[in-house]
This record gives sequence, C-alpha cells and structure tokens, in this order.
Amino acid sequence: EVQLVQSGAEVKKPGESLKISCKGSGYSFTSYWIGWVRQMPGKGLEWMGIIYPGDSDTRYSPSFQGQVTISADKSISTAYLQWSSLKASDTAMYYCARVVGPARNYYYGMDVWGQGTTVTVSS
Amino acid sequence: DIQMTQSPSTLSASVGDRVTITCRASQSISSWLAWYQQKPGKAPKLLIYKASSLESGVPSRFSGSGSGTEFTLTISSLQPDDFATYYCQQYNSFPWTFGQGTKVEIK
Repeated sequence: EVQLVQSGAEVKKPGESLKISCKGSGYSFTSYWIGWVRQMPGKGLEWMGIIYPGDSDTRYSPSFQGQVTISADKSISTAYLQWSSLKASDTAMYYCARVVGPARNYYYGMDVWGQGTTVTVSS
Repeated sequence: DIQMTQSPSTLSASVGDRVTITCRASQSISSWLAWYQQKPGKAPKLLIYKASSLESGVPSRFSGSGSGTEFTLTISSLQPDDFATYYCQQYNSFPWTFGQGTKVEIK
C-alpha cells in the first residue's frame, strides 16, 4: 500500500525551531516529488513547495521561500519541513502529498496524502 | 502568480441534485488543473487531474471539464458522502495555487 505517514502534533513557543517529517512507503520514494501544503485553522489550502527526493531539487512558493526549508533523506524515504524560528502565524495543519505525473517535470496532481501534522505556536 | 477563483464559495444542495462548481484562472493554464475533495478533519483527496481525467477509484458521478481559464467540476447526482469542501489547483506554472474552496452543504 502506498502511504505517507507524518510525524505527530507539535506545540511550540514563538522563536523555537521545528522539523516535521513525512515518511513514504509502498513505492519508489526517489521517483516522485513530495509537496507540502498548509491549512490554517478554518481556511483553505496553500501550496508551500515541492522536493524531488532523488536529487533534492526543490521549488518554493514565494510566500514561503525563506520562511521554511524543505528537505529529504532518500536513504530513509523521508521528507521534512522545518522552521528556524516559529511565529504564532505558523499555527496550522501541514500536509505532505505525493505528486503524480507522467514524467519528472509533468504533473497531474497530488494523489497520496499524509494524515497531516498540527503545529501550534503559542506563548 | 496565477490566481484561481472558485464560485460559488458555498453551495446548498439536496441528495440527487446535479451540482456544478466553477474555477477560473487569472491566465491560461491549458488543462493543468486538478480537483480535490476535503472532508472536515481529513486530508484532501484527488478527484480529477488534467482537468477532466477521473482519478482511479473515484465514482463516475464526478466529472471535470474545461481548458484555458475556465473549468467546472460536476457531480451528476449528489450523494450523502459528497458533502464536503472542493478545491481546484493549477499546476501549469510555479507557484502552484489553489482556489479558495467551495463548501457543498446539505439543503
């Protein structure tokens, strides 16, 4: 079974750092882009960026460039999303998702999603 | 960035109704559009890709159409399981962008 399993909920204080994870299984992890999507409480979906675990090629949304870092460790089939200094406005649910498509740079959408990681930032 | 605008934002409908949701792009995205369904507390689910291709396992009452800047998601006969929020997403160019969502409620 193809699945993405995300790390558990986090409660942090403003200014703290955080790294959440997304572990893939049941498919060739290095052959599919992994995307990250933010959903703030009661709001819609926001695309943050994608990474190709095979060579760590990464694309960011300008809204998130410099605010987060997307990385991957292909040896353990895991992608990461990290912050160096959290803000209260980072409070949200974060989803990872597999990007599917006919070739590396042709995309159809995100077909397998993790269960989400809730990040709460509060003093 | 390409802006994606969905209409309506909320839709009230009854079981058995035919439902249509529209998604407009601020510039042409060819057919590089996906539709997702999201239920409360759950991750989104891919329904349609490349504007009109049905994802495997998705009921045939869902269909997508359009190209360029205007797209529609149609549910031919609304079922109880379909009450949810629907999002379109363009992947024609970076940054990928989502519509703001359309909530389908019980009338």
